[in-house]
Amino acid sequence: NAGVTQTPKFQVLKTGQSMTLQCAQDMNHNSMYWYRQDPGMGLRLIYYSASEGTTDKGEVPNGYNVSRLNKREFSLRLESAAPSQTSVYFCASSVLEGLAYNEQFFGPGTRLTVL
Amino acid sequence: SQQGEEDPQALSIQEGENATMNCSYKTSINNLQWYRQNSGRGLVHLILIRSNEREKHSGRLRVTLDTSKKSSSLLITASRAADTASYFCATGIQGAQKLVFGQGTRLTINP
Repeated sequence: NAGVTQTPKFQVLKTGQSMTLQCAQDMNHNSMYWYRQDPGMGLRLIYYSASEGTTDKGEVPNGYNVSRLNKREFSLRLESAAPSQTSVYFCASSVLEGLAYNEQFFGPGTRLTVL
Repeated sequence: SQQGEEDPQALSIQEGENATMNCSYKTSINNLQWYRQNSGRGLVHLILIRSNEREKHSGRLRVTLDTSKKSSSLLITASRAADTASYFCATGIQGAQKLVFGQGTRLTINP
């Protein structure tokens, strides 16, 4: 099993450009998440999808959109990139047990630089 | 402000010593989890402790949870150079379907 995979690994954008970060998991998990991590910081939740067909905003959703394409895939789109979105983006997945979340499995991350 | 706050922000010890990191949080939780992140990598889950548990062990890791003080600690015994990483606590908040991460403790093990 590959676990959680993310593409691309690195990306450089110019201000105003758009792009989509892809995430897929092969563990049959219900829930998927997108986080950003800035230097010296913890992870901040951008959007999450508790189950297929649902998405919800996290702590820092402005400037992003998401699509839960199917149970395996959860994509993050930047419509008009800004330098403030320079960060490392992590996708994660988890099994939902009632309202309590179990461990999350993380992808390797996408390093995004916006010039 | 962050739900989970780790203390200290950075810790440097000699190989073989024990390392203790603390996490405080603000709201009621279902569980508290600890993760490790090696430089430039994704996070790896270490241990989960549920709100009705007080202590949990996994290998050289020992986690305690005090819900009355809204705090947790992670103890790594007999540290090794490979333990050098950042450690994050994450709280599963009651009634919310997500985890909230702290800012992490950067642990350095000196040979």
